[in-house]
Amino acid sequence: AQKVTQAQTEISVVEKEDVTLDCVYETRDTTYYLFWYKQPPSGELVFLIRRNSFDEQNEISGRYSWNFQKSTSSFNFTITASQVVDSAVYFCALSGDSNFGNEKLTFGTGTRLTIIP
Amino acid sequence: DGGITQSPKYLFRKEGQNVTLSCEQNLNHDAMYWYRQDPGQGLRLIYYSHIVNDFQKGDIAEGYSVSREKKESFPLTVTSAQKNPTAFYLCASSIQGMTNTEAFFGQGTRLTVV
Repeated sequence: AQKVTQAQTEISVVEKEDVTLDCVYETRDTTYYLFWYKQPPSGELVFLIRRNSFDEQNEISGRYSWNFQKSTSSFNFTITASQVVDSAVYFCALSGDSNFGNEKLTFGTGTRLTIIP
Repeated sequence: DGGITQSPKYLFRKEGQNVTLSCEQNLNHDAMYWYRQDPGQGLRLIYYSHIVNDFQKGDIAEGYSVSREKKESFPLTVTSAQKNPTAFYLCASSIQGMTNTEAFFGQGTRLTVV
């Protein structure tokens, strides 16, 4: 069975501070995919990143960066110099190997991030 | 503009009534999905469809039904058999399954049973 754990239910930081959202996953598949989605107050989920299990390189996109570590089964997300517009609920998700019918997304419970101006 | 449209945004239902939530996409995506979101529980998969006239149960399909007669449309019916239907429902689509590509989500329908 697949599982995604986001232990941080809510985080509040002052604007311009850095913040890291934690994500720990469990899967028996050797091929799998990890995702981060952002849910702003409007409700829709916005795709941020997809990473496959064979690519452990960290990625940076503007103020966003992701740290994928297979050794600890973690895929953490860091926002640098946070802004009020970053306030949202962030979901980490896991998809297994489609060859074994595990392609559906399993979501964590989300982390509500509030940036205080 | 291309995207996914869910309607209505808010829906109220009396106990014992069936209700249908609409989901339409003009992205030419093959795959479509319905998720339910409850506070503190993240998103759970109800049904999904990878091709017209075919769909599969997700993790919490009991009390729900779907149809996929057209590529663009994937309506969800919440039946009276669903014991606790009050929730936020999200529809999503992707080119070909969620593994290889990002999914696009609608803005959701908030269903309340009164």
